[in-house]
Order: sequence, then structure tokens, then C-alpha cells
Amino acid sequence: GAGVSQSPSNKVTEKGKDVELRCDPISGHTALYWYRQSLGQGLEFLIYFQGNSAPDKSGLPSDRFSAERTGGSVSTLTIQRTQQEDSAVYLCASSLGTDPGELFFGEGSRLTVL
Amino acid sequence: SQELEQSPQSLIVQEGKNLTINCTSSKTLYGLYWYKQKYGEGLIFLMMLQKGGEEKSHEKITAKLDEKKQQSSLHITASQPSHAGIYLCGADIGLNSGYALNFGKGTSLLVTP
Repeated sequence: GAGVSQSPSNKVTEKGKDVELRCDPISGHTALYWYRQSLGQGLEFLIYFQGNSAPDKSGLPSDRFSAERTGGSVSTLTIQRTQQEDSAVYLCASSLGTDPGELFFGEGSRLTVL
Repeated sequence: SQELEQSPQSLIVQEGKNLTINCTSSKTLYGLYWYKQKYGEGLIFLMMLQKGGEEKSHEKITAKLDEKKQQSSLHITASQPSHAGIYLCGADIGLNSGYALNFGKGTSLLVTP
């Protein structure tokens, strides 16, 4: 596709359930990022993938959060045993990986944990 | 980690008026990025500033970087309803593994007729 694609756009789940959020980056972009945007909290960096290197997980808030990137393309962010404070918009971005460079963001996945 | 403070938090201006949004860093700025987010959508890149004193313009939006003040300003001239949205500044987090941005909390702009 032309841009970064994320799915689902909206997800409502019950506390304690696991959720998976998907990101399809722009073709050819080697860098992929996950951010979380909460009301009043701004954008919070979660995890960064660059090519085939090990991801930088320094922004993940707890061990309930994990992400993988298969084949250097599609990425999945998994949240286990969701809590109400996990409710947020999860944004994925990709870039050519040049330093520094422009990030291309998807429209986000809005997660609501009841 | 670097903290980015944006001011004001929100702004309501009448169409045609000028406005300025500021972004102040707690650490030295080596590069500053401005993004715009329309309500309910992803972020769109506006411009990148890398050198002290650098100034860039895109249509009616101008951004400047003041390295000494560790600050960047974004100025909109003759605002239009299409300028409405959330403006976020971003700066390099300084990951050991590579490159990612840390963002301010954003400035919400509403332009009234």
C-alpha cells in the first residue's frame, strides 16, 4: 500500500484478555516504531525495529507488552492480560532508517479495555 | 531522557490571525521535528530543523530552531481552518540502538471562522 496500514482501527476488550495489533509498514522502509498515545500523556515510545537487528524494547512499559516483526516487514504488538490503563491509541510508524529522517505514521489502533 | 515541553497546550484563534507554538527541550537540541495530527488520524511530518538558527517554511507555516535556548518555535501566518489540529514537536531520544523520536504532549489548535 501507499502508506502505513494498521489493524484493527478499533478494539474493545475485557480486562485480562490478550490483544494483537498489526502494522504493515511502507514497502522498503527498514525502520519500524510503535508508539502509544494516551489522553493527556502525549506520544510514548514503545519499541523500535531496524532491519534484521534485535529490537530496542527500552520503551515497553511492562513485560505484558511484546512485539515482533516478521521478515523485516509486518509487525505485531501483543499486549497480554490487558489492564484498563492500557487503553490508548497505538501508533505505528516506519521510515527509511536514515538518521535522522521522516517518520510515516499509520492512523493508529484505538484500544479500549473495559 | 529528553523532555519536551510545548506551549501553549491549546489555542483558539480567529481565522486570519497569526499564532506561535513553542517547544522547549530539557537538553541540547541536535535536531527538532514538527508533526501535525488531525483529530483521529496519524501524524503528518511538517519539517525538520537540524542546525542552530535554521528556519524553514512550508506554505504559511514557519519553524525556527534556537540551539542556545534549546527551543523551537512554529509560526502560522494568516491561519485557516485547515490549520486546525494537534502540533507535536519531536527530538531524537538517543537510543543506543539507533534513531527514534521523543515527542512533546502537543498543542491543540482550533481556528474559528
